Amino acid sequence: RKEVEQDPGPFNVPEGATVAFNCTYSNSASQSFFWYRQDCRKEPKLLMSVYSSGNEDGRFTAQLNRASQYISLLIRDSKLSDSATYLCVVTANAGNMLTFGGGTRLMVKP
Amino acid sequence: DTGVSQNPRHKITKRGQNVTFRCDPISEHNRLYWYRQTLGQGPEFLTYFQNEAQLEKSRLLSDRFSAERPKGSFSTLEIQRTEQGDSAMYLCASSYGSGGPYGYTFGSGTRLTVV
Repeated sequence: RKEVEQDPGPFNVPEGATVAFNCTYSNSASQSFFWYRQDCRKEPKLLMSVYSSGNEDGRFTAQLNRASQYISLLIRDSKLSDSATYLCVVTANAGNMLTFGGGTRLMVKP
Repeated sequence: DTGVSQNPRHKITKRGQNVTFRCDPISEHNRLYWYRQTLGQGPEFLTYFQNEAQLEKSRLLSDRFSAERPKGSFSTLEIQRTEQGDSAMYLCASSYGSGGPYGYTFGSGTRLTVV
C-alpha cells in the first residue's frame, strides 16, 4: 500500500464546475501537508499548505482530518487554466522528505 | 537568484554510460533534496542534504547512484552504468530549514532517457 493515495482520475469537468479531490495517508506521524500542482512536463509547484483548521485561498479550499488521515482539495468555479495534475504531499517530520501521492489529473473543458 | 536551477534540462545516454546532473539551489537554502519522477507517478524521494551532510537516502538509491554537495551549495547526482529503468525526470528541490508553510522550491528537472 502506498503511503499517500490519490484517485488518479482524470476528472473531466466543464468550466465553472466545482471539483473535489481526496487523499489518504498511512503514516499517523505525518506532520505537514501540502497540495502541489504540476503542469505537463513541468516541475511541481506549491499550491497551498493544509492546516487542521482548514484553509482557503481564493477558489481553493483545503481540509485536513487527522483522525481519518484524510486531506481534501476543493476547487470552485473551475477555469481552463486549472487543468493540471494535483499532488497530495505529506512530510513525516520537520524538514525531511516529502512523500507524494501519485497525483490526480484534472481536465477543465470549455 | 531566480530559483532552483538544474542542468542539463535533457540528457539522452546509451545504456551502460555514466551521467551526472547538477542542481544549484536557492542561495540561502540549507536543505537540498533529490527526487525521481516517472510518467504518471508522483515524485519519489531519493536523498537529501542539510548543508554538506547527506542525512537520508532512500532504498531507491542503489549503489549505482551517488550524490554530493561538497560545499553545501550546489549538488551533483551521478548515475553509473545507466539502465533503461533509470529513464525518468530527476527533480531537485531546496528549502530553508523545514520549508514550513511555504513548502519546497523545485527546479525544472533533468529528463533522462536511457536508450
